[in-house]
Amino acid sequence: SQQGEEDPQALSIQEGENATMNCSYKTSINNLQWYRQNSGRGLVHLILIRSNEREKHSGRLRVTLDTSKKSSSLLITASRAADTASYFCASNSGYSTLTFGKGTMLLVSP
Amino acid sequence: DVKVTQSSRYLVKRTGEKVFLECVQDMDHENMFWYRQDPGLGLRLIYFSYDVKMKEKGDIPEGYSVSREKKERFSLILESASTNQTSMYLCASSHLRQAKNIQYFGAGTRLSVL
Repeated sequence: SQQGEEDPQALSIQEGENATMNCSYKTSINNLQWYRQNSGRGLVHLILIRSNEREKHSGRLRVTLDTSKKSSSLLITASRAADTASYFCASNSGYSTLTFGKGTMLLVSP
Repeated sequence: DVKVTQSSRYLVKRTGEKVFLECVQDMDHENMFWYRQDPGLGLRLIYFSYDVKMKEKGDIPEGYSVSREKKERFSLILESASTNQTSMYLCASSHLRQAKNIQYFGAGTRLSVL
């Protein structure tokens, strides 16, 4: 079921600014993943953070995880127009399926 | 690189038609999934399969069926299409025994039922 919730639903920033998106989930997890979706396309996996990790970096992406609050955040630093997309979190509770949030639409203006 | 291919990017069908959406993956993944995506509702799981001829209902299976005759192919079937099935359909696959459980998605099929 759809348990994850992203916040905000939409975010509009200028190029060069940082973008922060938050995600909450409801059950215990093995890992938490973030995906990106360009308009009208499929989702692409960005980054994964395990339940025993608190922070992870990949290029301009920084993900944090707080299992006590069942929440995660995705920070994109120095945003570019090409970062314009929807971003989804997905929680993995150890089963074959993932539980996706409803997504944050990010618009980065030049 | 993993490739998940959905047979059509856009489809227009009439109410009552039987519709087949095809998905093929080339990475020998055991798991395959069908989602629909609607504005404000995010991704909702319709069906998934963890092996050939095996299927499990997701959150919204009503009005849909699936077929998995070969490991690389997973088909979604709308037995009698209705206008409320107009949506974006996404197929995904993943490796059954990979603890990370990362899913790889196709480009999506935008279905319009008139």
